[in-house]
Amino acid sequence: EVQVVESGGGLVQPGGSLRLSCAASGFTLSRNWMTWVRQAPGKGLEWVANIKQDGSEKYYVDSVKGRFTISRDNAKNSLYLQMSSLTAEDTAMYHCARGQGWLDDWGQGTLVTVSS
Amino acid sequence: DIQMTQSPSSLSASVGDRVTITCRASQSISNYLHWYQHKPGKAPKVMIYAVSSLQSGVPSRFSGSGSGTDFTLTITSLQPEDFATYYCQQTYNIPFTFGPGTKVDIK
Repeated sequence: EVQVVESGGGLVQPGGSLRLSCAASGFTLSRNWMTWVRQAPGKGLEWVANIKQDGSEKYYVDSVKGRFTISRDNAKNSLYLQMSSLTAEDTAMYHCARGQGWLDDWGQGTLVTVSS
Repeated sequence: DIQMTQSPSSLSASVGDRVTITCRASQSISNYLHWYQHKPGKAPKVMIYAVSSLQSGVPSRFSGSGSGTDFTLTITSLQPEDFATYYCQQTYNIPFTFGPGTKVDIK
C-alpha cells in the first residue's frame, strides 16, 4: 500500500525556520518526482515546489523562492522542505505528494503556524 | 503564471443529481489539466488526469472533457461520498497552479 506521511510542522515565530519531512512507503521514491502543496486556512490548494528523481532539478513558486529548499534522500525514502524567513502568509497545511504532473498519492499534511 | 478559474465556487445538489464544474485557464494548456477531490482532514485525491483519463479506482460516474482553455468535470448521479471540494490544476507551465475550488454540498 502506498503511503505518504508528513511531519515536522508546528508553531514558529515570524522570521523563524522549520524543516518538514515526508516519509514514503509502498513505492520506490527514487523513481518519482515529488511535490509539496500547501493549503492556507480557508483557502485553496497552492503548488509550492517539486524535485526530480535524482534531485538535479528543483522548481518553486515565486513566493517561496530563496526562502524554501526542497530536497530528498532516496536511500531513506524521504522528502524534505526546509523553510526559512517564515511569515504569517506561510501558515498552512503542507502536503507531500507523488508525481510531477498530476499528483497520484498525497499525505494528509502537517500544519505549520507562523505566529508570535 | 497561468491563472485558473472555476465556476461555480460552490453548489448545492441532491443525491442522484448531475453536476458540472467548469475550469478555465488564462492561456492554452493543451491537455495538461487534472481534477482533484478534497475532503476536510483528508488527503486530496486525483480523480481525472490529462483532461479525461479516469484515475484507477475512481467511479465511472466521474468524467472530464475540454481542450485548450476550457474544461469540465461532470459527475453523473451524485453519491453521498462525492460531497467535497473539487480543484482543477494545470501542469503546462511552472508554477503548476490550481483553480480556487468548487465546493459541492448537500441541498
